[in-house]
Amino acid sequence: DAGVTQSPTHLIKTRGQHVTLRCSPISGHKSVSWYQQVLGQGPQFIFQYYEKEERGRGNFPDRFSARQFPNYSSELNVNALLLGDSALYLCASSPDGQGYEQYFGPGTRLTVT
Amino acid sequence: GDSVTQMEGPVTLSEEAFLTINCTYTATGYPSLFWYVQYPGEGLQLLLKATKADDKGSNKGFEATYRKETTSFHLEKGSVQVSDSAVYFCALGDTSGTYKYIFGTGTRLKVLA
Repeated sequence: DAGVTQSPTHLIKTRGQHVTLRCSPISGHKSVSWYQQVLGQGPQFIFQYYEKEERGRGNFPDRFSARQFPNYSSELNVNALLLGDSALYLCASSPDGQGYEQYFGPGTRLTVT
Repeated sequence: GDSVTQMEGPVTLSEEAFLTINCTYTATGYPSLFWYVQYPGEGLQLLLKATKADDKGSNKGFEATYRKETTSFHLEKGSVQVSDSAVYFCALGDTSGTYKYIFGTGTRLKVLA
């Protein structure tokens, strides 16, 4: 079975631009979570979605938004990019709304210049 | 809020040496505990987990025991290999209802042949 997939793999954007990152969960998984991993740090929670509803939000500004589609795939959107948004963005899926256990994708490396 | 504290790295060992990476947590409830491994340029892979006190998680020669009395979940391996070189993250499942993971800052392990 395919694992969690994310696209694109790498992305370079300019300050002030907008970016959309995509995630497809493991087949049968209904919950998707997004994390930001800055170089040298542990991942920080951004959002969790279950059955297309937001179940949790981390301490990130309103420039960050997400949604989940009927097929359980998800998009993370970031507006007005800042240099500090440069990071590895990880998507994780889990079978149910409990969030345990979570299976991570390979991530999207975003560089903001 | 809940938090995870991991020993700082890097940890450098010779092949076949014994490994311990310390992890302690703070939580108001009884979280599930996890160890994830991240190889260079990749996402996170679940290494092992424990869901209640005194549970022992194990996988690929790695072990960790959920110690409620010391709020710890130390990772151990009896004989490391060069292929174990990676960054190891301790994480807990948040108990406040958001189902997010809270990660430690990671410990880089380098195993020398």
